[in-house]
Parts: sequence; C-alpha cells; structure tokens
Amino acid sequence: NAGVTQTPKFQVLKTGQSMTLQCAQDMNHEYMSWYRQDPGMGLRLIHYSVGAGITDQGEVPNGYNVSRSTTEDFPLRLLSAAPSQTSVYFCASSSSYTEQFFGPGTRLTVL
Amino acid sequence: SQELEQSPQSLIVQEGKNLTINCTSSKTLYGLYWYKQKYGEGLIFLMMLQKGGEEKSHEKITAKLDEKKQQSSLHITASQPSHAGIYLCGADIGSTNAGKSTFGDGTTLTVKP
Repeated sequence: NAGVTQTPKFQVLKTGQSMTLQCAQDMNHEYMSWYRQDPGMGLRLIHYSVGAGITDQGEVPNGYNVSRSTTEDFPLRLLSAAPSQTSVYFCASSSSYTEQFFGPGTRLTVL
Repeated sequence: SQELEQSPQSLIVQEGKNLTINCTSSKTLYGLYWYKQKYGEGLIFLMMLQKGGEEKSHEKITAKLDEKKQQSSLHITASQPSHAGIYLCGADIGSTNAGKSTFGDGTTLTVKP
C-alpha cells in the first residue's frame, strides 16, 4: 500500500510555463483534494473531487485546472505559471468519516 | 483561515513543560482533525474528533472537542524535543467530510532542551 503518491518532489518553472503535478492513491478513496501551503497560512484548498468525473473549486482555484478520470488519479495543471504560485502543494485522499491522507508534497518555485 | 483560528501562532516551551494549543471555528464543526508537520515535510495524522465532548489520547498528546464552543484543544504533557514542529487543525465546516477540509494557520512549537 503506497498510500498517496505525488510527483515530482521538486520543480522549478519559468513564468508562463505550464506543467502538471501528479497525484495517485491506492486506497480506493472517493474524495481527493489539492491544497497549497504558504508560510504562516496553513493549507488552502485549490480543487477537490468527490468521485471520478466530479470536481469542484476550493478557496483558491484561479490558475489551476483539475480532472478526475479514474478513482486513483487526480492531476493538478498549472496553465501559465506565475511567481505567486510558488508554494508547496499537497494532494490528499479520504473516505467518508475518515481523516485525509496526505502525500509528501511538491515544492514548486516559479521564477 | 478565518473560519478556523488557531492559537497561539507560536509557542516556545522548556522540555518537560505542559502546553495547550487551541482551534476555534466560527461555524458548526462536523469533524475536527489534528496533524503535525515537521518543517519541509508532509503531514502526520494525530487524531480525529467527531462528537461533542469526545477526547482522545495518544502517548502524551490529548485532544478534546467542545461542540458547544466549536473549539478543540490539543494538550501535550511533559513536552519533549520530539514534539517540536507545526501543529495544524483541520475541520469539516458546514458539511461532513467530502475532501474539502478547512485548516488553521498552524502553531509552531519549539521545545528547548
């Protein structure tokens, strides 16, 4: 059981570049989420999904897209990277009435 | 998050001392979670509280949920350097868990040997 996996662990982008952060879980959880963590600001929800084919916006969705074609995978796409998107990104999965299981995070720097 | 406020923002204690971290919601709580994070690392799940008055303990860490006050407290007894890190509370606000928890801004704990 790998739990929640994220790739890459580190990434440096130039302003305007696009990229996809990968997230996968092998626990058959219906819920998956993406958060960003900035210094002193805890975790802020970007997008979340309650099942395959269903996604919704969180608190800070602008500049990001998601899709959920399978239960296991929930990639996060940065359409045109901006320095304000420099952050640590965490993917999480859960089932009803359980805690969220978090991946190890992706540290993104946008120059 | 303004919906979920943690206090204090940071805490420095001498090894062996007790401490308490609070997490207060402005709305109805449907579930409350405590996580610990070491700098630059991922989140480690500590405890989940779902019912008013519920109290859970693990080793020297105890968490309580006061449903009426919409507040949870995390208490560490006889702190050790291994307790140092960032403590985050997360909660399902307004609805039950659907992968959209709200998190506090975190409490940074330093334990001086």
